[in-house]
Amino acid sequence: SQQGEEDPQALSIQEGENATMNCSYKTSINNLQWYRQNSGRGLVHLILIRSNEREKHSGRLRVTLDTSKKSSSLLITASRAADTASYFCATINTGTASKLTFGTGTRLQVTL
Amino acid sequence: DGGITQSPKYLFRKEGQNVTLSCEQNLNHDAMYWYRQDPGQGLRLIYYSQIVNDFQKGDIAEGYSVSREKKESFPLTVTSAQKNPTAFYLCASSPRDRGNEQFFGPGTRLTVL
Repeated sequence: SQQGEEDPQALSIQEGENATMNCSYKTSINNLQWYRQNSGRGLVHLILIRSNEREKHSGRLRVTLDTSKKSSSLLITASRAADTASYFCATINTGTASKLTFGTGTRLQVTL
Repeated sequence: DGGITQSPKYLFRKEGQNVTLSCEQNLNHDAMYWYRQDPGQGLRLIYYSQIVNDFQKGDIAEGYSVSREKKESFPLTVTSAQKNPTAFYLCASSPRDRGNEQFFGPGTRLTVL
């Protein structure tokens, strides 16, 4: 079963703009992770935020987590054409310590 | 050079044939996973293994089988019982104490003709 749902499904922006993707989930979690996938490739881990954290930064990435609303957002600042990819959120649900449940993904297109 | 390898990158099989997808890691990770990805979709968990000689079914295990005889290897067999096997298959591994951050292989695209 897929727990997370990303919004929007697709996003097209120009280079230099910020991109915001949202993820909603249904059950209580231990942590939430964001992954990136270039077309036809494997996934790359971007950032992990634990259930007791509200915000985390890594380079141009900023992730927020609101456990009361069961939602998270990923902000990519000053986007580049190389950021073009699909982005997935994934959760470790409480009681399932080793299983990641993935959302459906947001396809980001960054144009020059 | 550490990482996860999957082979082959592309695989074609006739309907009714079993096929085995390879996944090897030299990261010394305890846990390994197999996912299926269909076009425009997220990943769905097929099987996972937290330790050698032990594995558990994921959300869509029907028509698949796995083994975990070595820490480094977690092959997936797609059997003829899998009704719709054409998909992109991803293998991943994770270390014990990283909040289950997973490291992915490059994937195998299986097409059943």
